[in-house]
Amino acid sequence: AQSVTQPDIHITVSEGASLELRCNYSYGATPYLFWYVQSPGQGLQLLLKYFSGDTLVQGIKGFEAEFKRSQSSFNLRKPSVHWSDAAEYFCAVVSYSSASKIIFGSGTRLSIRP
Amino acid sequence: DGGITQSPKYLFRKEGQNVTLSCEQNLNHDAMYWYRQDPGQGLRLIYYSQIVNDFQKGDIAEGYSVSREKKESFPLTVTSAQKNPTAFYLCASSIGVQGGTEAFFGQGTRLTVV
Repeated sequence: AQSVTQPDIHITVSEGASLELRCNYSYGATPYLFWYVQSPGQGLQLLLKYFSGDTLVQGIKGFEAEFKRSQSSFNLRKPSVHWSDAAEYFCAVVSYSSASKIIFGSGTRLSIRP
Repeated sequence: DGGITQSPKYLFRKEGQNVTLSCEQNLNHDAMYWYRQDPGQGLRLIYYSQIVNDFQKGDIAEGYSVSREKKESFPLTVTSAQKNPTAFYLCASSIGVQGGTEAFFGQGTRLTVV
């Protein structure tokens, strides 16, 4: 069965430091991959998506992610975090075996240290 | 503005009552989804619908019911059979079965049993 794993439940990073959030997926074919961000009590906003082509994708708010097929990973990065980046981040994959069923990881909560 | 509207934002239910959460979209999307979010558990799929008058159970459908009589509407009923309904509920939509497209989310409904 398809699955998405985010191994880090909670990460704290100092403001201005770099960030990497990990995401691993289990999927038989080339997946469509997404990163979403959620502020407390709000819905989810799409940060970026990978469909095909260039394995390094750029998103909104200065985020980027790299698709590595050999490692089944799609890690999210940002070179310098801002206090406003504190939120919960979700990795997701589209499952074609279930026709557009979207599978989410359990999320990583990001805190920013002043 | 196109988007997804969930109502109400906050909902309180007495033990043994059924309640219905509203989800409306004006994005002309074929697919719609309901997710439940509990702290530390990410998003779990309750039901999804790829086309009008058709829907499928997700991973945690027990105690819930849905209908899809119109393309733009996908209401979720939380029945008295759902033993632990207190949670944050998110509705989403996407273009549909072609896949490769992101989901757009509403702002959520927080349901509390009193």
